[in-house]
Amino acid sequence: QQQVKQSPQSLIVQKGGISIINCAYENTAFDYFPWYQQFPGKGPALLIAIRPDVSEKKEGRFTISFNKSAKQFSLHIMDSQPGDSATYFCAASHRSNDYKLSFGAGTTVTVRA
Amino acid sequence: GAGVSQSPSNKVTEKGKDVELRCDPISGHTALYWYRQSLGQGLEFLIYFQGNSAPDKSGLPSDRFSAERTGGSVSTLTIQRTQQEDSAVYLCASTLWGGEAFFGQGTRLTVV
Repeated sequence: QQQVKQSPQSLIVQKGGISIINCAYENTAFDYFPWYQQFPGKGPALLIAIRPDVSEKKEGRFTISFNKSAKQFSLHIMDSQPGDSATYFCAASHRSNDYKLSFGAGTTVTVRA
Repeated sequence: GAGVSQSPSNKVTEKGKDVELRCDPISGHTALYWYRQSLGQGLEFLIYFQGNSAPDKSGLPSDRFSAERTGGSVSTLTIQRTQQEDSAVYLCASTLWGGEAFFGQGTRLTVV
């Protein structure tokens, strides 16, 4: 069964707008929550990651918000640009499971100029 | 090399044939993972190698799938008697244990 649930499946945003992708998990053992960006024909590339001891992490235009009690985390892309058009995957893993990543189903983001 | 290298990039095979997919991890990375990405789906874990330990094969979907890692470096994923449902992108990732996972560009397998 899918251990990480991701929504929406796709979204369209205007250039300069905010893209928000949400993920939820059940396994409280998860202790590492990365987001991956994937362009067509390429492998996923790590975008930003968070551990549960912080509630927010920001890197440039990308921010992860983490709610441990709700077992939810989200990616916010500020000032979205056409170059951000890609598929985004949230994932989760934990040390006791050798950091095998459990992925969400992915969100295709299209940024309209 | 600078990154994880996978070959071939694309593979078209006839149903029932065997295929071998290759992964060259980043030098020095002790952990290697194989994942499968089916059309419109997330990534599904297949198998994990860590150093000289026995591999974790818990994600392999059937006994037609096998993998080995020689000398702690290059890995080969073998699919025997391929079926149409095996069509997918097969991705390899390597890490220093517990660190960032670096993915290759994947092998797109099409079974006709």
